[in-house]
Amino acid sequence: GEDVEQSLFLSVREGDSSVINCTYTDSSSTYLYWYKQEPGAGLQLLTYIFSNMDMKQDQRLTVLLNKKDKHLSLRIADTQTGDSAIYFCALNTGNQFYFGTGTSLTVIP
Amino acid sequence: NAGVTQTPKFQVLKTGQSMTLQCAQDMNHNSMYWYRQDPGMGLRLIYYSASEGTTDKGEVPNGYNVSRLNKREFSLRLESAAPSQTSVYFCASRWGVSQYFGPGTRLLVL
Repeated sequence: GEDVEQSLFLSVREGDSSVINCTYTDSSSTYLYWYKQEPGAGLQLLTYIFSNMDMKQDQRLTVLLNKKDKHLSLRIADTQTGDSAIYFCALNTGNQFYFGTGTSLTVIP
Repeated sequence: NAGVTQTPKFQVLKTGQSMTLQCAQDMNHNSMYWYRQDPGMGLRLIYYSASEGTTDKGEVPNGYNVSRLNKREFSLRLESAAPSQTSVYFCASRWGVSQYFGPGTRLLVL
């Protein structure tokens, strides 16, 4: 299987940028994803990047992919209190998806 | 569209009891998945069904069985529940590159 690692916690002040990092072991993934999970809810797809891309921007979200270092990051600009949640990176290989451990983002007002 | 729905929302079982977790999607998706979520471990794939009539094991299938009843429904069965199966269970369906998740079932096995 795939090993997908994330740091468990991140705290930022409202208005600052947040950067959530993810490392993985298998380079055969076709797509890489970021999901958001709010308390008591399921996972919501935020964005994804195709494996032959280096960067993708979607409003306040910027995804960076470094295939050489097997490193994926999610930058949230102008972080708001509503961004407080758990963020999961995930990789897709064929029919299977592999998820990281999740990073709990706390936004301090 | 309701998207992906799961029942029940919460369940408490005693060790050795059996139960079936239900999942349905109204988006006409071919692929469906069952995951469990445990603290500090992210989501782990239990079983998936790439299309109606097919099922395949994921990373942690032991102690579970699944049935793809039709294109809409994919159920997960615990034949003899164990405390190690205490978890939050998520069902998902897939269209193209994206997965869509249900709200989850919280299961406690005593």
